Amino acid sequence: DAMVIQNPRYQVTQFGKPVTLSCSQTLNHNVMYWYQQKSSQAPKLLFHYYDKDFNNEADTPDNFQSRRPNTSFCFLDIRSPGLGDAAMYLCATSRAFGNEETQYFGPGTRLLVL
Amino acid sequence: KQEVTQIPAALSVPEGENLVLNCSFTDSAIYNLQWFRQDPGKGLTSLLLIQSSQREQTSGRLNASLDKSSGRSTLYIAASQPGDSATYLCAVSDGGYNKLIFGAGTRLAVHP
Repeated sequence: DAMVIQNPRYQVTQFGKPVTLSCSQTLNHNVMYWYQQKSSQAPKLLFHYYDKDFNNEADTPDNFQSRRPNTSFCFLDIRSPGLGDAAMYLCATSRAFGNEETQYFGPGTRLLVL
Repeated sequence: KQEVTQIPAALSVPEGENLVLNCSFTDSAIYNLQWFRQDPGKGLTSLLLIQSSQREQTSGRLNASLDKSSGRSTLYIAASQPGDSATYLCAVSDGGYNKLIFGAGTRLAVHP
């Protein structure tokens, strides 16, 4: 089945130790998004790619970076995780921009920072 | 700045009850409004999408309405079942690159 896959599902890292989260999609969608969702809070958009064009949200900390080497894969790099970065990280894709387009979400990666 | 609010934050109902979840947004200039379901520790599943020119959408036991002028949407769930237990999130798209602004969700528990 076509889908959005995130690895790993759970990630434990140490304070300040860089970590990379992975997202892949078989939908061949042009747009990929990364959201951060803290416990019982709304998902918050960090950035997105339209093809190789990167768009960072204004309030996304510099500690968060992203790479999209090809259509299928997108990575979230956290350079120096702090305790406040513990959250669920959700990857989503969309075919294009348009008011009829929904987003397809992966299962998420839960990040724990010790 | 667009803000999305969902009321109530949590809801517990007996099986079989019809129920309404509420969503409000502050800026009526939206491209669409979407309702998602999130099971504990899981990603989001799209339930319904209402384009800005539409008033409602239906899928099975779910019906969502949109009133842009008042900045409100409701999700109606008919004949609730224990399998409907989940968190329901409302999100609005502000156009451009389909950026979604989410509410914090309503956590629904349907007990037998």
